[in-house]
Amino acid sequence: GAGVSQSPSNKVTEKGKDVELRCDPISGHTALYWYRQSLGQGLEFLIYFQGNSAPDKSGLPSDRFSAERTGGSVSTLTIQRTQQEDSAVYLCASSLVSIGLYSGNTIYFGEGSWLTVV
Amino acid sequence: AQKITQTQPGMFVQEKEAVTLDCTYDTSDQSYGLFWYKQPSSGEMIFLIYQGSYDEQNATEGRYSLNFQKARKSANLVISASQLGDSAMYFCAMRDTIQGAQKLVFGQGTRLTINP
Repeated sequence: GAGVSQSPSNKVTEKGKDVELRCDPISGHTALYWYRQSLGQGLEFLIYFQGNSAPDKSGLPSDRFSAERTGGSVSTLTIQRTQQEDSAVYLCASSLVSIGLYSGNTIYFGEGSWLTVV
Repeated sequence: AQKITQTQPGMFVQEKEAVTLDCTYDTSDQSYGLFWYKQPSSGEMIFLIYQGSYDEQNATEGRYSLNFQKARKSANLVISASQLGDSAMYFCAMRDTIQGAQKLVFGQGTRLTINP
């Protein structure tokens, strides 16, 4: 597609259930990022993929969070045993290579997946 | 690590006026890039403008311009002739590299409201 695509756009889940959030980056973009934004807050970096590998997973809030990327394209963020504090917008983004010093390598965001844990 | 500070939680401006959104940053890198994003109520993050640390000219994109003062470590966004559609959250960000991971570090944002 033309932009970063995320699904589902909205998800309401019960506490304790697992959820999967999907991100389809812009075609040809090798770098993929996940961010979390709680209501009225800034963006919290979660994880970054260069191709299929994630050099650093330390941004993930707990071991209930995991992410994978296959085929250098689609990525899935999984939250196990969801808690109410997991309620947030999960934003996925992609860039051509990695963030460089040139605007052509800027990072483009999807519209987010709004997660509500009840 | 890089740090971005946006000191204006909210701003109210009359339509057609110019508005300046403040951003200061902290970095020890010699080469870096600064970004501004707009986030309307729909939630999408929209890239607005980019400034490289070695760019000699301030960046401009239509009604958006960046007042880059390197010595003061500030990169304020200027919106000329504001419109009602400019009402949104605005985030300043810069690149950070930690343990091989590339990411953008964001400020807390400024909520801009344009009044008719």
